[in-house]
Amino acid sequence: AQSVAQPEDQVNVAEGNPLTVKCTYSVSGNPYLFWYVQYPNRGLQFLLKYITGDNLVKGSYGFEAEFNKSQTSFHLKKPSALVSDSALYFCAVRDSYNTDKLIFGTGTRLQVFP
Amino acid sequence: EAGVAQSPRYKIIEKRQSVAFWCNPISGHATLYWYQQILGQGPKLLIQFQNNGVVDDSQLPKDRFSAERLKGVDSTLKIQPAKLEDSAVYLCASSLSPGQQETQYFGPGTRLLVL
Repeated sequence: AQSVAQPEDQVNVAEGNPLTVKCTYSVSGNPYLFWYVQYPNRGLQFLLKYITGDNLVKGSYGFEAEFNKSQTSFHLKKPSALVSDSALYFCAVRDSYNTDKLIFGTGTRLQVFP
Repeated sequence: EAGVAQSPRYKIIEKRQSVAFWCNPISGHATLYWYQQILGQGPKLLIQFQNNGVVDDSQLPKDRFSAERLKGVDSTLKIQPAKLEDSAVYLCASSLSPGQQETQYFGPGTRLLVL
Protein backbone atom coordinates (compact mmCIF):
# COMPACT_ATOMS: atom_id res chain seq x y z
CA ALA A 1 0.00 0.00 0.00
CA GLN A 2 1.16 3.51 -0.74
CA SER A 3 2.09 5.57 2.26
CA VAL A 4 4.06 8.53 3.51
CA ALA A 5 5.77 8.75 6.89
CA GLN A 6 6.86 11.88 8.68
CA PRO A 7 8.68 10.48 11.70
CA GLU A 8 8.89 13.73 13.66
CA ASP A 9 5.80 15.39 15.08
CA GLN A 10 7.79 18.54 15.79
CA VAL A 11 11.12 19.99 14.78
CA ASN A 12 12.69 22.83 16.72
CA VAL A 13 15.46 24.97 15.25
CA ALA A 14 17.06 28.29 16.06
CA GLU A 15 16.70 31.12 13.58
CA GLY A 16 19.59 31.20 11.15
CA ASN A 17 20.37 27.52 11.53
CA PRO A 18 19.72 24.96 8.80
CA LEU A 19 16.54 22.94 9.04
CA THR A 20 15.50 19.50 7.86
CA VAL A 21 12.01 18.02 7.91
CA LYS A 22 12.04 14.31 7.18
CA CYS A 23 9.79 12.31 4.89
CA THR A 24 9.91 8.71 3.70
CA TYR A 25 7.55 7.07 1.26
CA SER A 26 6.37 3.73 0.00
CA VAL A 27 4.89 3.45 -3.49
CA SER A 28 4.83 1.02 -6.35
CA GLY A 29 6.25 2.49 -9.51
CA ASN A 30 7.82 5.91 -9.87
CA PRO A 31 7.22 8.29 -6.99
CA TYR A 32 5.79 11.76 -7.51
CA LEU A 33 6.45 13.70 -4.32
CA PHE A 34 5.21 17.00 -2.96
CA TRP A 35 5.74 19.29 0.02
CA TYR A 36 3.05 21.64 1.31
CA VAL A 37 3.05 24.12 4.19
CA GLN A 38 0.04 25.06 6.31
CA TYR A 39 -0.10 28.24 8.36
CA PRO A 40 -2.71 28.59 11.15
CA ASN A 41 -6.27 28.87 9.83
CA ARG A 42 -5.09 28.70 6.26
CA GLY A 43 -5.08 26.08 3.57
CA LEU A 44 -2.13 24.18 2.22
CA GLN A 45 0.41 26.11 0.21
CA PHE A 46 2.47 24.31 -2.40
CA LEU A 47 6.24 24.45 -1.80
CA LEU A 48 7.84 22.09 -4.31
CA LYS A 49 7.55 18.79 -6.11
CA TYR A 50 9.71 16.01 -7.50
CA ILE A 51 8.60 14.42 -10.75
CA THR A 52 11.79 13.33 -12.41
CA GLY A 53 15.30 14.54 -13.10
CA ASP A 54 17.62 16.27 -10.65
CA ASN A 55 17.42 14.81 -7.15
CA LEU A 56 17.66 18.27 -5.57
CA VAL A 57 14.48 20.22 -6.09
CA LYS A 58 14.24 23.93 -5.35
CA GLY A 59 10.98 25.50 -4.31
CA SER A 60 9.33 28.54 -2.82
CA TYR A 61 10.64 30.66 0.08
CA GLY A 62 14.16 29.23 -0.16
CA PHE A 63 13.12 25.65 0.54
CA GLU A 64 14.60 22.67 -1.26
CA ALA A 65 14.15 18.94 -1.03
CA GLU A 66 16.42 16.04 -1.76
CA PHE A 67 15.03 12.93 -3.40
CA ASN A 68 16.87 9.74 -2.44
CA LYS A 69 15.58 6.67 -4.24
CA SER A 70 17.67 4.11 -2.36
CA GLN A 71 16.48 5.43 1.00
CA THR A 72 12.96 6.20 -0.29
CA SER A 73 13.22 9.63 1.27
CA PHE A 74 12.30 13.17 0.29
CA HIS A 75 13.55 15.43 3.06
CA LEU A 76 12.73 19.13 3.09
CA LYS A 77 15.62 21.49 3.79
CA LYS A 78 16.45 25.13 4.15
CA PRO A 79 19.97 26.52 4.73
CA SER A 80 18.90 29.27 7.13
CA ALA A 81 15.61 29.13 9.03
CA LEU A 82 13.39 32.15 9.67
CA VAL A 83 10.92 32.62 12.50
CA SER A 84 8.27 33.07 9.82
CA ASP A 85 8.93 29.50 8.61
CA SER A 86 7.17 28.22 11.73
CA ALA A 87 4.21 26.22 10.43
CA LEU A 88 2.91 22.72 9.76
CA TYR A 89 4.61 20.89 6.90
CA PHE A 90 3.09 18.02 4.95
CA CYS A 91 4.79 15.58 2.63
CA ALA A 92 2.60 13.88 0.03
CA VAL A 93 2.95 11.26 -2.69
CA ARG A 94 0.78 10.62 -5.71
CA ASP A 95 -1.24 7.43 -5.57
CA SER A 96 0.04 4.97 -8.16
CA TYR A 97 -3.47 3.70 -8.88
CA ASN A 98 -5.35 6.99 -8.92
CA THR A 99 -2.65 9.21 -10.30
CA ASP A 100 -4.40 12.36 -9.14
CA LYS A 101 -4.93 11.38 -5.54
CA LEU A 102 -2.44 12.74 -3.03
CA ILE A 103 -1.58 10.64 0.00
CA PHE A 104 -0.41 12.85 2.84
CA GLY A 105 1.76 12.25 5.84
CA THR A 106 0.59 13.26 9.28
CA GLY A 107 2.53 16.50 9.22
CA THR A 108 5.52 17.94 11.07
CA ARG A 109 5.27 21.11 13.09
CA LEU A 110 8.31 23.31 12.58
CA GLN A 111 9.09 25.77 15.35
CA VAL A 112 11.83 28.31 14.66
CA PHE A 113 13.02 30.15 17.75
CA PRO A 114 14.53 33.65 17.58
CA GLU B 1 -4.34 35.11 -10.27
CA ALA B 2 -7.09 34.45 -7.75
CA GLY B 3 -6.72 31.29 -5.70
CA VAL B 4 -9.24 28.68 -4.71
CA ALA B 5 -12.16 30.25 -2.86
CA GLN B 6 -14.15 28.51 -0.15
CA SER B 7 -17.06 29.50 2.05
CA PRO B 8 -17.97 29.59 4.78
CA ARG B 9 -14.68 29.65 6.66
CA TYR B 10 -16.20 28.36 9.87
CA LYS B 11 -19.37 26.47 10.71
CA ILE B 12 -20.77 25.15 13.98
CA ILE B 13 -23.76 22.82 13.88
CA GLU B 14 -25.39 20.22 16.08
CA LYS B 15 -25.29 16.55 15.22
CA ARG B 16 -27.98 15.37 12.83
CA GLN B 17 -28.16 18.80 11.21
CA SER B 18 -27.15 19.37 7.61
CA VAL B 19 -24.41 21.63 6.26
CA ALA B 20 -23.08 22.65 2.86
CA PHE B 21 -19.72 23.97 1.77
CA TRP B 22 -18.94 25.85 -1.41
CA CYS B 23 -15.78 25.94 -3.51
CA ASN B 24 -14.76 27.96 -6.54
CA PRO B 25 -11.56 26.66 -8.14
CA ILE B 26 -8.86 28.63 -9.90
CA SER B 27 -10.16 29.87 -13.24
CA GLY B 28 -9.58 27.34 -15.99
CA HIS B 29 -8.84 24.43 -13.68
CA ALA B 30 -10.70 21.37 -14.88
CA THR B 31 -10.01 19.12 -11.92
CA LEU B 32 -11.48 19.76 -8.48
CA TYR B 33 -10.92 17.85 -5.24
CA TRP B 34 -12.49 17.79 -1.79
CA TYR B 35 -10.30 16.66 1.09
CA GLN B 36 -11.15 16.10 4.75
CA GLN B 37 -8.49 17.00 7.33
CA ILE B 38 -9.15 15.73 10.82
CA LEU B 39 -7.16 17.39 13.60
CA GLY B 40 -3.69 15.89 13.84
CA GLN B 41 -3.88 14.11 10.51
CA GLY B 42 -3.03 14.81 6.91
CA PRO B 43 -5.78 15.57 4.41
CA LYS B 44 -7.69 12.64 2.97
CA LEU B 45 -9.35 12.71 -0.45
CA LEU B 46 -13.14 12.52 -0.39
CA ILE B 47 -14.01 13.09 -4.03
CA GLN B 48 -12.42 14.19 -7.30
CA PHE B 49 -14.20 15.80 -10.24
CA GLN B 50 -12.98 16.15 -13.79
CA ASN B 51 -15.10 18.96 -15.23
CA ASN B 52 -18.59 17.95 -14.06
CA GLY B 53 -17.93 14.21 -13.83
CA VAL B 54 -16.85 12.21 -10.79
CA VAL B 55 -13.46 10.52 -11.16
CA ASP B 56 -13.03 9.06 -7.69
CA ASP B 57 -15.47 9.03 -4.78
CA SER B 58 -14.30 5.80 -3.20
CA GLN B 59 -13.59 7.46 0.16
CA LEU B 60 -16.80 9.50 0.31
CA PRO B 61 -19.28 8.25 2.96
CA LYS B 62 -22.18 8.24 0.56
CA ASP B 63 -24.82 7.56 3.17
CA ARG B 64 -24.35 11.11 4.47
CA PHE B 65 -22.00 13.00 2.15
CA SER B 66 -22.81 14.24 -1.32
CA ALA B 67 -21.05 16.54 -3.75
CA GLU B 68 -21.80 18.09 -7.09
CA ARG B 69 -20.15 20.21 -9.73
CA LEU B 70 -23.03 20.74 -12.07
CA LYS B 71 -21.53 23.23 -14.51
CA GLY B 72 -17.97 22.04 -14.22
CA VAL B 73 -16.83 25.13 -12.33
CA ASP B 74 -17.80 25.60 -8.69
CA SER B 75 -18.72 22.75 -6.40
CA THR B 76 -20.80 22.06 -3.30
CA LEU B 77 -20.13 19.43 -0.64
CA LYS B 78 -23.03 18.52 1.64
CA ILE B 79 -23.28 16.52 4.84
CA GLN B 80 -26.69 15.28 5.93
CA PRO B 81 -27.04 14.32 8.74
CA ALA B 82 -23.80 15.35 10.41
CA LYS B 83 -22.08 13.24 13.04
CA LEU B 84 -19.64 14.26 15.73
CA GLU B 85 -16.79 12.58 13.85
CA ASP B 86 -17.37 14.86 10.86
CA SER B 87 -15.69 17.68 12.78
CA ALA B 88 -12.75 18.55 10.56
CA VAL B 89 -11.41 21.05 8.07
CA TYR B 90 -12.78 20.54 4.58
CA LEU B 91 -10.30 21.58 1.94
CA CYS B 92 -11.03 22.18 -1.69
CA ALA B 93 -8.23 21.98 -4.25
CA SER B 94 -7.97 22.35 -7.98
CA SER B 95 -5.51 21.55 -10.73
CA LEU B 96 -5.28 22.59 -14.34
CA SER B 97 -5.81 19.05 -15.53
CA PRO B 98 -5.53 15.51 -14.24
CA GLY B 99 -2.15 13.81 -14.22
CA GLN B 100 0.73 12.82 -12.01
CA GLN B 101 2.76 15.93 -12.66
CA GLU B 102 0.02 18.44 -12.00
CA THR B 103 0.12 20.51 -8.84
CA GLN B 104 -2.98 20.76 -6.69
CA TYR B 105 -3.68 24.23 -5.27
CA PHE B 106 -5.67 24.40 -2.06
CA GLY B 107 -8.21 26.84 -0.72
CA PRO B 108 -8.26 28.14 2.87
CA GLY B 109 -10.65 25.42 4.01
CA THR B 110 -13.91 25.34 5.97
CA ARG B 111 -13.57 24.42 9.62
CA LEU B 112 -16.60 22.41 10.77
CA LEU B 113 -17.44 21.73 14.39
CA VAL B 114 -20.27 19.30 15.10
CA LEU B 115 -21.63 19.48 18.64
